[in-house]
Amino acid sequence: QVQLQESGPGLVKPSETLSLTCTVSGGSVSSGSYYWSWIRQPPGKGLEWIGYIYYSGSTNYNPSLKSRVTISVDTSKNQFSLKLSSVTAADTAVYYCARGPHYYDSSGGWDYWGQGTLVTVSS
Amino acid sequence: QSALTQPASVSGSPGQSITISCTGTSSDVGGYNYVSWYQQHPGKAPKLMIYDVSNRPSGVSNRFSGSKSGNTASLTISGLQAEDEADYYCSSYTSSSLWVFGGGTKLTVL
Repeated sequence: QVQLQESGPGLVKPSETLSLTCTVSGGSVSSGSYYWSWIRQPPGKGLEWIGYIYYSGSTNYNPSLKSRVTISVDTSKNQFSLKLSSVTAADTAVYYCARGPHYYDSSGGWDYWGQGTLVTVSS
Repeated sequence: QSALTQPASVSGSPGQSITISCTGTSSDVGGYNYVSWYQQHPGKAPKLMIYDVSNRPSGVSNRFSGSKSGNTASLTISGLQAEDEADYYCSSYTSSSLWVFGGGTKLTVL
């Protein structure tokens, strides 16, 4: 059973950089079959796709966040990470890491999710 | 990229069937068979219920089914149960090689 777990600070100051890590167990980020994604949800609002990474390091980002987002992967630790710079209160959200979609044809959706971590942007 | 359009809320009585729509464009829902549906209970992570328009992951009840016609995808839940009360989100791949979600639909079981 694949499990994902987000970790990182729950409080970030405005203008600083939000940093989160997703640790994968029961599976490998290097499997080659999947992209590994970040998705967020502001309190009381809907889901927003942030972006994804392949184990090789290739990435794809939501254009609305692209100038501020960096997703990276550490295959030796079976982890992938999110950095979001110059944060504002609008970036306050529950941040989820998830497995998917499939690398070869972008099918399959996001089949395994972390429990999510609330990041609040406030001074 | 605009969000997909879902009704804000739907409701039904136990045992009934309901359908949630997800409307996009020919650049997303209508152009690809990569529509997925997620169930989210309060305070929980989303759960994949349908992928690639109409496929159910292992372990998901066959009361959940998906379909697509033109630019609109649909999630149907038959034999409504109290445990189905949740928020539901659709998502689609787009022509820009990006992913977009619907705004979410709150399902109330009366």
